[in-house]
Amino acid sequence: EIVMTQSPATLSVSPGERVTLYCRASQSISNTLAWYQQKFGQAPRLLVHGASTRATGIPARFSGTGSGTEFSLTISSLQSEDFAVYYCQHYNNWPPEYTFGQGTKLEIK
Amino acid sequence: QVQLVQSGPEVKKPGASMRVSCKTSGYSFINYGITWVRQAPGQGLEWMGWISPYNGNTHSAQRFQGRVTLTTDTSASIAYMEVRSLRPDDTAVYFCARGNDAFDMWGQGTMLTVSS
Repeated sequence: EIVMTQSPATLSVSPGERVTLYCRASQSISNTLAWYQQKFGQAPRLLVHGASTRATGIPARFSGTGSGTEFSLTISSLQSEDFAVYYCQHYNNWPPEYTFGQGTKLEIK
Repeated sequence: QVQLVQSGPEVKKPGASMRVSCKTSGYSFINYGITWVRQAPGQGLEWMGWISPYNGNTHSAQRFQGRVTLTTDTSASIAYMEVRSLRPDDTAVYFCARGNDAFDMWGQGTMLTVSS
C-alpha cells in the first residue's frame, strides 16, 4: 500500500508570500499525483493533475512539480482566498485505487 | 455545466444502513468513473470506492469491502453508495466525485451522523 505524506502539517504565511507544500510517496508513483484545495465546509477543488498540469480555470500562481516519490505545490503569491487545506492524492489506474495525503493547512500569519 | 448533486443529510442508528445518491448532469455519465470519498469531522479525505458507469465495474478500499455497495442508474445518470452495519465512527461527510484518475468535479457532500 502506497502511503502519501505531506509536510508541513500547518504553514503560517502572509498574503503576497511565496509558499511551497510538499508531498512524498512511500514508493515511486511516476507522475500519478493530484493536488486539491479544500476550504471549510466545501468540497475539494482539483488544482493540479499529472503532478504538474493545472486543472481548468486554476490560476497560474499555482504550480506543481515532481515525479517518482517527491512532489511539491508552489503558490507564487498568496491571495486571501488561498488560505485553505491542501491535499495531495495518488491515483492508480487499475485497479482504481486512490490515496490521499493527510493535508497541509495554510493559515494566515 | 457539469453538476453532481447529492442527497440530503442522514441520521442513522448503529447497525443500520444508509444509501446516498449522486445525481449528475452536464456530461456523458458513462464516460467518467464516479468515486466516493468521506471526511470525518476535522479529519482528512478518505477514498472509499470507485465505479465505472460504463460497465458497472467497481473497486473499493479494502477496509470497506463487504460493507459498501456501489451502483449506478445510467438511465437517470445517478450513482449510489450504500453503507451497511453503520458505526458511530462512520459519522462523516460523504462526497461523490467524477473521474478515473484525478477528480475534477465533486458533489456538495452528504452529512451522515451515526448515533444511538
